[in-house]
Amino acid sequence: EAQVTQNPRYLITVTGKKLTVTCSQNMNHEYMSWYRQDPGLGLRQIYYSMNVEVTDKGDVPEGYKVSRKEKRNFPLILESPSPNQTSLYFCASSSLGVAYNEQFFGPGTRLTVL
Amino acid sequence: AQTVTQSQPEMSVQEAETVTLSCTYDTSESDYYLFWYKQPPSRQMILVIRQEAYKQQNATENRFSVNFQKAAKSFSLKISDSQLGDAAMYFCCVGSGTYKYIFGTGTRLKVLA
Repeated sequence: EAQVTQNPRYLITVTGKKLTVTCSQNMNHEYMSWYRQDPGLGLRQIYYSMNVEVTDKGDVPEGYKVSRKEKRNFPLILESPSPNQTSLYFCASSSLGVAYNEQFFGPGTRLTVL
Repeated sequence: AQTVTQSQPEMSVQEAETVTLSCTYDTSESDYYLFWYKQPPSRQMILVIRQEAYKQQNATENRFSVNFQKAAKSFSLKISDSQLGDAAMYFCCVGSGTYKYIFGTGTRLKVLA
């Protein structure tokens, strides 16, 4: 089954404790992206990657890191989480072409930083 | 900077009726794409419909259609014959430039039986 998986689905942590949210897709997509969703703000793009070792900042990259060492994986790293990073996080992937294709989203990760 | 505005935080529609969700956007790019995504209570994001800005013909997908007014930078979603399963948050999205995406703040649609 074609899918984007995220782990963990739920996470409660404390300020300053480094964490990684994993994202993996099995559709051989070149493009992957991370979003955060907050009430009243919609989804905002954190980072995106157009291929292995190619990443770029979205609109809200502060406090986050990403890496793309393999095509299928795109982990999101919070090196020193703070309460304002409490949010619902989505990973997404799509194929690249002459057009902007549909993004396939993971199930989301609910992160709470105390 | 790109912006996407959804001015209706919440809307209601009677089952089997028609409802239109509005979206306006601003972009300096000449080539861009527009999307509507649905987010039901399960939180899963699902593509509803996609429109290429260079195409004048409005996209349709079964009961879902768009009214794309390029000059006015408007991209509204019409849902015909509304069903209970259409109840969800709907997000308008613009993709342009180097594959950056901007989403609106969402419209929560309630379907009344």
